[in-house]
Amino acid sequence: EDKVVQSPLSLVVHEGDTVTLNCSYEVTNFRSLLWYKQEKKAPTFLFMLTSSGIEKKSGRLSSILDKKELFSILNITATQTGDSAIYLCAVPPPGTYKYIFGTGTRLKVLA
Amino acid sequence: DAGVIQSPRHEVTEMGQEVTLRCKPISGHDYLFWYRQTMMRGLELLIYFNNNVPIDDSGMPEDRFSAKMPNASFSTLKIQPSEPRDSAVYFCASSVRDTQYFGPGTRLTVL
Repeated sequence: EDKVVQSPLSLVVHEGDTVTLNCSYEVTNFRSLLWYKQEKKAPTFLFMLTSSGIEKKSGRLSSILDKKELFSILNITATQTGDSAIYLCAVPPPGTYKYIFGTGTRLKVLA
Repeated sequence: DAGVIQSPRHEVTEMGQEVTLRCKPISGHDYLFWYRQTMMRGLELLIYFNNNVPIDDSGMPEDRFSAKMPNASFSTLKIQPSEPRDSAVYFCASSVRDTQYFGPGTRLTVL
């Protein structure tokens, strides 16, 4: 059965810390992995990863995919209180757009 | 671009009543998705359409739920009759290929 597992489930850090969020997947014929940030409202798109070993970067956020070991990490450096959110990863099974979402990592950044 | 538009943003109804949620996808997007999010179950895909045609409705919980997409710019999700366990946030999302963009959601409370 296809599945997506995120860890940790929750994380509390102080401003300025660096965090690493994990997403592992078991999906046959992988084609892409997506990261989303969800604050109080709807998930907003962060990254889409398709190729192994190529880092995607946006400001203090970066993400990389390891297709051999079937996981992705999302790094946030110099965290700010505005980074507090639930971070979701999602993978579409082969031939469909029926995305499988992980349960998310709830990040809280303290001032 | 206005993004994905959903209405209403909040809905409070009594058990047994019919509820209709509405969605306008981003222009030019050929995929439309309906999700439900709860604390217990996370983000669940209910149904998705491609070019107005339902592709996979296996996530629709039961016959009380139905969804339509009469044209490329409008979709509805209907619950009839509603039950308290349907209380959740319902998101609509649209995409071209893999990157989905979510609407603000409808928070449904069934008393």
